[in-house]
Amino acid sequence: DAKTTQPTSMDCAEGRAANLPCNHSTISGNEYVYWYRQIHSQGPQYIIHGLKNNETNEMASLIITEDRKSSTLILPHATLRDTAVYYCIVRVASSGSARQLTFGSGTQLTVLP
Amino acid sequence: DAGVIQSPRHEVTEMGQEVTLRCKPISGHDYLFWYRQTMMRGLELLIYFNNNVPIDDSGMPEDRFSAKMPNASFSTLKIQPSEPRDSAVYFCASSLSTHGTEAFFGQGTRLTVV
Repeated sequence: DAKTTQPTSMDCAEGRAANLPCNHSTISGNEYVYWYRQIHSQGPQYIIHGLKNNETNEMASLIITEDRKSSTLILPHATLRDTAVYYCIVRVASSGSARQLTFGSGTQLTVLP
Repeated sequence: DAGVIQSPRHEVTEMGQEVTLRCKPISGHDYLFWYRQTMMRGLELLIYFNNNVPIDDSGMPEDRFSAKMPNASFSTLKIQPSEPRDSAVYFCASSLSTHGTEAFFGQGTRLTVV
């Protein structure tokens, strides 16, 4: 799986958009970008994933650059409960293939009141 | 569904004792994963199963660690004998084999070996 690079930490004001970047310059054509987050003392939680098109769900939006070498997770209106470590993971996701996730260090997002 | 259920939530044991962690995956999920999380090493995959069969156990640190999945609704991770360096939070996760589906994690078991 491709290696990802994320900033160690970020702050965001409550109510503002949180934009979390991720670099994955060695991504392969069949690799997806996944985002998970881990709130303190809880298990990781899936947020969103995408291949090359931008994606949006009830939690966040995922913007993937045209060359797919980087992406940004956007939390449109951050709340205090969004304070967590956010993990960007790149992996193959074809049917029948291995399902394991390889977690890096992630970005500690702190939402400030 | 109640999600992935792990037990116990907390375990304190003495060095040398056997420890068994338990996991009930989400019904219908055919993949099950065991992860360990420490401050030093972050989240590490220990082993995963597909349809109750261990597929990759290369992350299991030593022979002291073993995992089983006797049926689709139950898995155990056993450490025997336990050592202080095994202290960590152990997470179980499950997922479907369907293309692109996400993994669901349990709340974890915090293990302290004294």
